[in-house]
Amino acid sequence: GAVVSQHPSRVICKSGTSVKIECRSLDFQATTMFWYRQFPKQSLMLMATSNEGSKATYEQGVEKDKFLINHASLTLSTLTVTSAHPEDSSFYICSASPQGLSSPLHFGNGTRLTVT
Amino acid sequence: DQQVKQNSPSLSVQEGRISILNCDYTNSMFDYFLWYKKYPAEGPTFLISISSIKDKNEDGRFTVFLNKSAKHLSLHIVPSQPGDSAVYFCAARAAGGTSYGKLTFGQGTILTVHP
Repeated sequence: GAVVSQHPSRVICKSGTSVKIECRSLDFQATTMFWYRQFPKQSLMLMATSNEGSKATYEQGVEKDKFLINHASLTLSTLTVTSAHPEDSSFYICSASPQGLSSPLHFGNGTRLTVT
Repeated sequence: DQQVKQNSPSLSVQEGRISILNCDYTNSMFDYFLWYKKYPAEGPTFLISISSIKDKNEDGRFTVFLNKSAKHLSLHIVPSQPGDSAVYFCAARAAGGTSYGKLTFGQGTILTVHP
């Protein structure tokens, strides 16, 4: 099946620093990838849609200057949490679909971000 | 406004019996529904999906039923196995264009299968 790889799986950083999370599609090309976030004991919420070669599309309430997304190739999207604060601590998960509209999303293993 | 609801936070089942996980939705624009299984600190794993033009889809031990008039779907696992113990998320997608990645998730149901 389709494999989506995410790195790192866990990161702890200090307030004010920036953290980059990578998402790779290992066995397929993904012109579009999706970034979700899950707070403890809550559901997954879509943050933004990452588009290869163009700007990301952000969901309402998500700060584009805080969560920088770059989709430089057909197999890699990165999410950078800039000037991180403790309230940014969360579980970030990327996803992609090998066949677009007609197939389900496959998710990476997620990144647990803790900002101290 | 919670458009996808899983009203049971948890479910406990004996090994070998049937597990039934329920999900209700409010948005009539949803046309594709999925079930995911998730372990702590891992991403969701796709289990099974169903298009709104169908009322049933089966894959091995997993069957998803869709009742469009009631805006209700359910996931049946039979027979249940201890390895099925995880959090199960129901998700839905609205029809149209480039929104295929925008899944609306329920809150999840913790399934525990006892040996």
